[in-house]
Amino acid sequence: QQKVQQSPESLSVPEGGMASFNCTSSDRNFQYFWWYRQHSGEGPKALMSIFSDGDKKEGRFTAHLNKASLHVSLHIRDSQPSDSALYFCAASDTGNYKYVFGAGTRLKVIA
Amino acid sequence: EAGVTQSPRYAVLQEGQAVSFWCDPISGHDTLYWYQQPRDQGPQLLVYFRDEAVIDNSQLPSDRFSAVRPKGTNSTLKIQSAKQGDTATYLCASSPGGAGTGQLYFGEGSKLTVL
Repeated sequence: QQKVQQSPESLSVPEGGMASFNCTSSDRNFQYFWWYRQHSGEGPKALMSIFSDGDKKEGRFTAHLNKASLHVSLHIRDSQPSDSALYFCAASDTGNYKYVFGAGTRLKVIA
Repeated sequence: EAGVTQSPRYAVLQEGQAVSFWCDPISGHDTLYWYQQPRDQGPQLLVYFRDEAVIDNSQLPSDRFSAVRPKGTNSTLKIQSAKQGDTATYLCASSPGGAGTGQLYFGEGSKLTVL
């Protein structure tokens, strides 16, 4: 069973709009979260991490973590066509360096 | 600073052939990961190392898959007798450690097609 569930599978937003992604861990051992982005033909690149309850903002990107429910979200404001990519949530098990990825959300930003 | 380097970028095989993928991690990164990413899916962990030691290889799909990191630097992932279901991109990542709180740095991947 997939330990990390992501939704939606795909998303289209207009340029300048807000894109929102959701992720939940089903294993309480995996409670450190990361967001990665992958453009076509490239490897995933880390966007940001969140380990504590609440919000974390980095530029146009804001992540929110609820540790009680192991739910994390990512919001991109003022979306740009260059943001079109696959977005992955990853959860890590701090006990043994293990990182598990979700199935991803494909974002398309329409100019 | 050089990133994670993988080779070859592409491989096309007939079923039953073998292939090896090579990974050079970022210098000083003691943890190295191999992931399998089928088309339009998330990366699935195959195996990971801390220095030269295998920490967990329980996710390797079968005994046709093997991975080594003999000196704690470069690593090789080998697939024996490839099958069509092995078609995927194989990603290598390294991390400076940090017990699950360190960022993973990925290479561009090796795309395998098995005909």
